[in-house]
Amino acid sequence: QITLKESGPTLVKPTQTLTLTCTFSGFSLSTSAVGVGWIRQPPGKALEWLALIYWDDDKYYSPSLKSSLTITKDTSKNQVVLTMTPVDPADTATYYCAHTVYGDRSFDYWGQGTLVTVSS
Amino acid sequence: DIQMTQSPSTLSASVGDRVTITCRASQSISRWLAWYQQKAGKAPKLLIYQSSNLESGVPSRFSGSGSGTEFTLTINRLQPDDFATYYCQQYHSFYWTFGQGTKVEIK
Repeated sequence: QITLKESGPTLVKPTQTLTLTCTFSGFSLSTSAVGVGWIRQPPGKALEWLALIYWDDDKYYSPSLKSSLTITKDTSKNQVVLTMTPVDPADTATYYCAHTVYGDRSFDYWGQGTLVTVSS
Repeated sequence: DIQMTQSPSTLSASVGDRVTITCRASQSISRWLAWYQQKAGKAPKLLIYQSSNLESGVPSRFSGSGSGTEFTLTINRLQPDDFATYYCQQYHSFYWTFGQGTKVEIK
């Protein structure tokens, strides 16, 4: 049974760094073809893909946010970490992590999401 | 960047109706398209992948079709549980974008 859960701060000040952790179970990021992505959703708005990391450490970023994002994995802890810097009030959103596989790149399992507010 | 445009933005329907949502890509994405259902306060749920493949456990009243730049999600015999927002998502190459969503409301 695959589960994912996001964790991190609920409130971040503008210009600071946001660090989010996705802790998962039921699969391993050392297994061939497995990936974990991050997607966010501002209140009342659409979903936006941010970044994705595969088992082989290949990383992909949204072109519009590439300069501000870093995605890493800790296979031993079953975690994927996303950092975003600097943050802006427009980054206020619910952040989701999700599981994918290389052959079909849809997101088949999602975490419950974590709401992050960027405000001074 | 590949842009995804869904229509309509909002759809009013009754239980038992057949509804169709359209998603258009700004360039060809072959069949690399997924559909998700999202209810208020919940994470999206995968319904359809690779344009027409039904995800395990998803009722057969959901179906998807299309290739290239035009895709549709059809819900036959709409059920009370189906009132939600639906998103298409392309994953051509290693770049993912979502449509703006279609809210299916009770008429």
